[in-house]
Amino acid sequence: SQTIHQWPATLVQPVGSPLSLECTVEGTSNPNLYWYRQAAGRGLQLLFYSIGIDQISSEVPQNLSASRPQDRQFILSSKKLLLSDSGFYLCAWSKLAGFTDTQYFGPGTRLTVL
Amino acid sequence: GQQLNQSPQSMFIQEGEDVSMNCTSSSIFNTWLWYKQDPGEGPVLLIALYKAGELTSNGRLTAQFGTTRKDSFLNISASIPSDVGIYFCAGRSNAGNNRKLIWGLGTSLAVNP
Repeated sequence: SQTIHQWPATLVQPVGSPLSLECTVEGTSNPNLYWYRQAAGRGLQLLFYSIGIDQISSEVPQNLSASRPQDRQFILSSKKLLLSDSGFYLCAWSKLAGFTDTQYFGPGTRLTVL
Repeated sequence: GQQLNQSPQSMFIQEGEDVSMNCTSSSIFNTWLWYKQDPGEGPVLLIALYKAGELTSNGRLTAQFGTTRKDSFLNISASIPSDVGIYFCAGRSNAGNNRKLIWGLGTSLAVNP
C-alpha cells in the first residue's frame, strides 16, 4: 500500500529565515505530487504540482519554491520567510489513471512564522 | 482561482441527526470527491464519484454525482461525535489542466452529544 510522509510536523521560524519542508511517497512510482497551503483551517490553496522529476508548475506567485530531486520526493522551500507564509502545508500524491486521479494527503506541517 | 460553492459553511447538530451538504459548480465536472479533515491532520478521502447520477455509500455516508454534472451532495446518517470535522468537496472538470482539483471551502460540522 502507498503511504505519504511529511516532516517536520510542526515548525516555528523567524521572519526572514529559510524554509525546507519535505514530502516523500512510498509504495508507488511516478506519482503526481502537490503542495497545498491551508490558512485559518479552511480552504486548500494549490501552490505547486509536479508530474515528474524536475517538472514543476507553480500556481500562485509567492515567496515559495518547490523542487523534486527524486521521483517520490517533493520539497517546498523559501529563502526568506514572511509572516504571511504561516499556515498548514499539505503534500498530496495521485496516480493518473484515466478519471481516477484521486489525491491522497499527507499529515501536514504546521508552520508558524514569528 | 476557481472554487466550488459548498454549503452550508457550518453546521451544529445533535448526535443522531442526519446531515446533508452540497457543492455546485459553474462548469461540468467529470469527477467529484468528498474529503474529511480532522483538526491538525490532512484530509482523508471519503467517497469518489465518476459518473453522472452515481450514488455511492461508505458506511453511514452517501454521496451522489448530480445528473447535471455540476453538483454533488454528501449525506451523513445518524451522526456521531467522531463525525466532527471539516468536509471538503473537490472536483475536476473536462476543460483545462485536469490534474488540478477545484476545491470547495469546506463545511465545518459540530456534533452535540
